[in-house]
Amino acid sequence: QSALTQPPSVSASPGQKVTISCSGSSSNIGYNYVSWYQHLPGTVPKPLIYENDKRPSGIPDRFSGSKSGTSATLGITGLQTGDEADYYCGTWDSSLSAWMFGGGTKVTVL
Amino acid sequence: QVHLVESGGGVVQPGRSLRLSCAASGFTFRNYGMHWVRQAPGKGLEWVAVIWYDGSEKYYADSVRGRFTISRDNSKNTLYLQMNSLRAEDMAVYYCARSQGQQMDHWGQGTLVNVSS
Repeated sequence: QSALTQPPSVSASPGQKVTISCSGSSSNIGYNYVSWYQHLPGTVPKPLIYENDKRPSGIPDRFSGSKSGTSATLGITGLQTGDEADYYCGTWDSSLSAWMFGGGTKVTVL
Repeated sequence: QVHLVESGGGVVQPGRSLRLSCAASGFTFRNYGMHWVRQAPGKGLEWVAVIWYDGSEKYYADSVRGRFTISRDNSKNTLYLQMNSLRAEDMAVYYCARSQGQQMDHWGQGTLVNVSS
């Protein structure tokens, strides 16, 4: 099973914006909802976005999600040092009957 | 509130078995599908398996199919992962996560499985 494709890393200065792409196929992103998770080493993964663009309660609107065709994007505005973490996209693959995670993107605040 | 607590991790030799448990509380367990997800040292999140709310459907990652079995006991509000024929590459922190629609909306704190001779 192939993971969804994410860039290994992105970086920006405090206060700036970063975007993280997640590329898939018609059987996964193209057909199902995408969710995003923030993971700091040694902690529990934290849901950030569900159903492509919805935020769970308590997630600030600095975090946004979108989907177009077979790709999805996570945006983080007003970057803070506390945002340094690994970010993963995820979705169900209807052809494989399997959940897919992207390889993860490390966000660095310069 | 939703609470998921994994247990059963530890050190195990290659080829041996281990059973993980995930005790759920704070929600109606029998109404939700559940996942197992793992993270090996220095690696990303890897999905392992999912079980439907009533246990009627189970799906596995290629890397574990035929060796791991996901199950649940809704009377005990507990999720299980039976891991057989363990390999070095199965060493990871294993998380259970609640399935809400097409997302994993709550996660346990994880339990470490160390496969080593």
